[in-house]
Amino acid sequence: DAGVIQSPRHEVTEMGQEVTLRCKPISGHNSLFWYRQTMMRGLELLIYFNNNVPIDDSGMPEDRFSAKMPNASFSTLKIQPSEPRDSAVYFCASSLLAGANEQFFGPGTRLTVL
Amino acid sequence: DQQVKQNSPSLSVQEGRISILNCDYTNSMFDYFLWYKKYPAEGPTFLISISSIKDKNEDGRFTVFLNKSAKHLSLHIVPSQPGDSAVYFCAANTGNQFYFGTGTSLTVIP
Repeated sequence: DAGVIQSPRHEVTEMGQEVTLRCKPISGHNSLFWYRQTMMRGLELLIYFNNNVPIDDSGMPEDRFSAKMPNASFSTLKIQPSEPRDSAVYFCASSLLAGANEQFFGPGTRLTVL
Repeated sequence: DQQVKQNSPSLSVQEGRISILNCDYTNSMFDYFLWYKKYPAEGPTFLISISSIKDKNEDGRFTVFLNKSAKHLSLHIVPSQPGDSAVYFCAANTGNQFYFGTGTSLTVIP
């Protein structure tokens, strides 16, 4: 299994532009999580899906952020418009069950907003 | 509001010695506590976990201790090896909510 796949690995964009991050979870996993890593706050859970349905998006910082999971093998995290304070590493993770302890993380997307 | 805190951003240990990474939490309702290890340019990988009903879990060189009265857990690595050099994240979950600490960067000196 290739593990969780994220693209792009690096994204540099200008303030105000739309950014779309992509994730392919491990086949057969029912839960998908989006995290943001910053120095100050560590890993923050933004949103998670169970069976393609968003369960809790309370961690999404504001309306500029949105996430979708149109099918079991694909999810996107979109930021529109992007701001410099959105610069961070964004991780996608999947797990077999919603309450499973072990989450499998992708390699992350390093986003830089100039 | 950080529900899981790692107050030491970094730690250096000599190869062969014990590494002790600490973590504090605020929510007494957490069900499980976990440690993840992260190498540069990679995602975190699961290392070891402990249920809230236990006080110790051991897996090879890695042992996690849980002190519920103090709301404190620690990860012991013995003996430490250079390949253990990484960032270690403490995490806790209740239901489907996961909370991570800010990480501790461990350097094992050969």
